[in-house]
Amino acid sequence: DIQMTQAPSSLSASVGDRVTITCRASQSVSNYLNWYQQIPGKAPKLLIYSASNLQTGVPSRFSGGGSGTHFTLTINDLQPEDFASYYCQQSISFPRTFGQGTKLEIK
Amino acid sequence: EVHLVESGGDLVEPGGSLRLSCVVSGVPMRNLAMHWVRQSPGKGLEWIAYIRSGGSATYYADAVKGRFTISRDNAKNSLYLQMTSLRGEDTALYYCVSSVLAVVTRFDHWGQGTLVSVSS
Repeated sequence: DIQMTQAPSSLSASVGDRVTITCRASQSVSNYLNWYQQIPGKAPKLLIYSASNLQTGVPSRFSGGGSGTHFTLTINDLQPEDFASYYCQQSISFPRTFGQGTKLEIK
Repeated sequence: EVHLVESGGDLVEPGGSLRLSCVVSGVPMRNLAMHWVRQSPGKGLEWIAYIRSGGSATYYADAVKGRFTISRDNAKNSLYLQMTSLRGEDTALYYCVSSVLAVVTRFDHWGQGTLVSVSS
């Protein structure tokens, strides 16, 4: 199974900040990497697919990068609605696996 | 827009069984691959099962293999998860998730989840 590891597990930031979350795969997943946002009490929502493609309707302050085993999710100009948990997920093989999540909190 | 609504979650004793359902609307379900993903209270996301658009292939996480069965009825736009030999660690919110056919598949749409609690 491919293990996905996110860093950090939690992060405090302020409105207007720029933050970066990293995701590492235990073996190459090429660009088969997706990012999700989960607001407390809500279902997860797809943000970015194929490592760097913004899902329709997602604000352009979100961006993704990387390939192989190292990926990043960057949020520019943090907005109040961005404080949530974020998960990476690989889709190159079964079982599909998620990172453990990164909780982004308001400083 | 794809809309997913789960049902069937309940409180069940260890060793018991339960059947979850998910109704898909907005697009023909036959065009979608489907998954179940669960989330234990306060924990992260765990993928547990997949079924191909036509139902010809299924995959399971090791944690549920041999105990859970995913199935679908495209004519009824419905997805199912038959759960047997339930354990305390199966307690979670179970999400029905769809994936459009694509080179890099992803979990495009999620239901709101149905809660399964396993306890005596």
